Amino acid sequence: ETGVTQSPTHLIKTRGQQVTLRCSSQSGHNTVSWYQQALGQGPQFIFQYYREEENGRGNFPPRFSGLQFPNYSSELNVNALELDDSALYLCASSVDRGLGNIQYFGAGTRLSVL
Amino acid sequence: GQQLNQSPQSMFIQEGEDVSMNCTSSSIFNTWLWYKQDPGEGPVLLIALYKAGELTSNGRLTAQFGITRKDSFLNISASIPSDVGIYFCAGPENTGNQFYFGTGTSLTVIP
Repeated sequence: ETGVTQSPTHLIKTRGQQVTLRCSSQSGHNTVSWYQQALGQGPQFIFQYYREEENGRGNFPPRFSGLQFPNYSSELNVNALELDDSALYLCASSVDRGLGNIQYFGAGTRLSVL
Repeated sequence: GQQLNQSPQSMFIQEGEDVSMNCTSSSIFNTWLWYKQDPGEGPVLLIALYKAGELTSNGRLTAQFGITRKDSFLNISASIPSDVGIYFCAGPENTGNQFYFGTGTSLTVIP
């Protein structure tokens, strides 16, 4: 148990829809990162949020956006869903910003786009 | 973009055997991390390496930060069934704005 919780655990959407995924970070952690993991592949970094601001971003289009709240929980929003967005979305929290810090992962949200 | 290549892609070994896997990158890393992921779970950190040449152990696991800073190695001694899973190397880009995971090594331990 890492103390990082994600909701929902599973989600089914259709192409063109929008989705919001949620993450509660471990107590005492102020930084949240989001990853996309396609089946059979390693996680791909989407972005990191530190104190409510984006602090690093991977090669994902603008339709992937995020928010971090004052209690350090976070949301990942994906607009105009595409079939290739089907994946496991992982959230990780860490004690401070900087991608070299140890990140603790949640169990993920499995998104299926039909 | 950056690619962390892991080999082997998969391994099938007998319980009690030792395991070696490695990870290489096209550019220099200042931090190497090794994670294990079980089915239906998020990755769990096994070992963190912060210095070229560093050798660090965590129980039966030993990892090394390559001298060139472009590779890292993970060894598991006396494997047991619960070692089954996918092992990923990972690390932040030098700018600190990107984070990469490797392609993964899938380990199966046969009792």
